Amino acid sequence: NAGVTQTPKFQVLKTGQSMTLQCAQDMNHEYMSWYRQDPGMGLRLIHYSVGAGITDQGEVPNGYNVSRSTTEDFPLRLLSAAPSQTSVYFCASSYRAGGPYEQYFGPGTRLTVT
Amino acid sequence: RKEVEQDPGPFNVPEGATVAFNCTYSNSASQSFFWYRQDCRKEPKLLMSVYSSGNEDGRFTAQLNRASQYISLLIRDSKLSDSATYLCVVTGLGGGADGLTFGKGTHLIIQP
Repeated sequence: NAGVTQTPKFQVLKTGQSMTLQCAQDMNHEYMSWYRQDPGMGLRLIHYSVGAGITDQGEVPNGYNVSRSTTEDFPLRLLSAAPSQTSVYFCASSYRAGGPYEQYFGPGTRLTVT
Repeated sequence: RKEVEQDPGPFNVPEGATVAFNCTYSNSASQSFFWYRQDCRKEPKLLMSVYSSGNEDGRFTAQLNRASQYISLLIRDSKLSDSATYLCVVTGLGGGADGLTFGKGTHLIIQP
């Protein structure tokens, strides 16, 4: 199994540009989520999904959209990039939400918005 | 709002020493507890789950105190490779955003 994969690893955007961060998992996990990690802030939940066709907002959803058309894929779209969205983005998946289930993280995407 | 609090450190510890750090959580209904390890510029990875009776995995011991709402991690005979940030994670019965809360992490530096 490849686990959780994310592309790209690095990205530089100009303010106002849009892009999609890709996330895929091959473990047949129901639960997938996106976090951003900033220095001193820890991991903050952006959006999550408890199954195909179901998504919901986390703690910091503004400026981001998600969709979950398949169990495997959970892309994160930046609608109009802003410097405040400069961060490291992690996608994660687990068998179920909550409970005693391990979260598996992707390697991250380092995004810089200029 | 549910919170998980950790001392951010850094904890500077000589190689071979024992180090311990705690994490407190505010939601008494929390059900599952974990320690994750995150190396610099890498993704978090599960270090160990924390069970009510306490559990040990090699040099690592985790304990849960439900009455005082904290979990602890003890590292014995610390190695240079233990240098990392340790994240406390707490989950409830609920799914989604309510199901998982991360602490901001404790930074550990093992010095030769």
